[in-house]
Amino acid sequence: DAGVIQSPRHEVTEMGQEVTLRCKPISGHDYLFWYRQTMMRGLELLIYFNNNVPIDDSGMPEDRFSAKMPNASFSTLKIQPSEPRDSAVYFCASSFQGRVFGYTFGSGTRLTVV
Amino acid sequence: GENVEQHPSTLSVQEGDSAVIKCTYSDSASNYFPWYKQELGKRPQLIIDIRSNVGEKKDQRIAVTLNKTAKHFSLHITETQPEDSAVYFCAGTSNNNDMRFGAGTRLTVKP
Repeated sequence: DAGVIQSPRHEVTEMGQEVTLRCKPISGHDYLFWYRQTMMRGLELLIYFNNNVPIDDSGMPEDRFSAKMPNASFSTLKIQPSEPRDSAVYFCASSFQGRVFGYTFGSGTRLTVV
Repeated sequence: GENVEQHPSTLSVQEGDSAVIKCTYSDSASNYFPWYKQELGKRPQLIIDIRSNVGEKKDQRIAVTLNKTAKHFSLHITETQPEDSAVYFCAGTSNNNDMRFGAGTRLTVKP
């Protein structure tokens, strides 16, 4: 298995632009998580899905952030409009049966908003 | 939801010495506690985990202990090596299956 695949690896965008981050979980995993990592706030859970259904989006910072999972093999995290304070590394992770097994993280997307 | 606190934030040891990182959690319903290692510029990777029905688990030079009564768990690394240098994160899970991470410990092993 190729693991959790995220794209792009790096994204530089101007303030106000729309940004879309993509994630392909490990085949067969039924949970998908989006995390944001910054020096100040560490690893923050933004949202997670179970069987493609959003379960908890309480970590999504603002209405500018939205996430979708149209099928079991694909998820997106969108920021519109982007702001400099959104600059961070965004990780996607997937797992099988939730907390029973550890998460597998993707390589992350380093987002820079200028 | 779960709240996980991790100490220390930085730890520096001499090669060959032991390193201990401690975490406390708030939700008594949490029953799964993994540890992740993150090297610079890379993804967090699971190195060891423990479930609440055991008190200790060991894998070569790393071990994790869990005290459910006190709601704390610890990572122990023995015979540290320079390649152990990384940021280590503990985590806990509450009933809703989301994993909450500690703030991380930057471990430096000096040769």
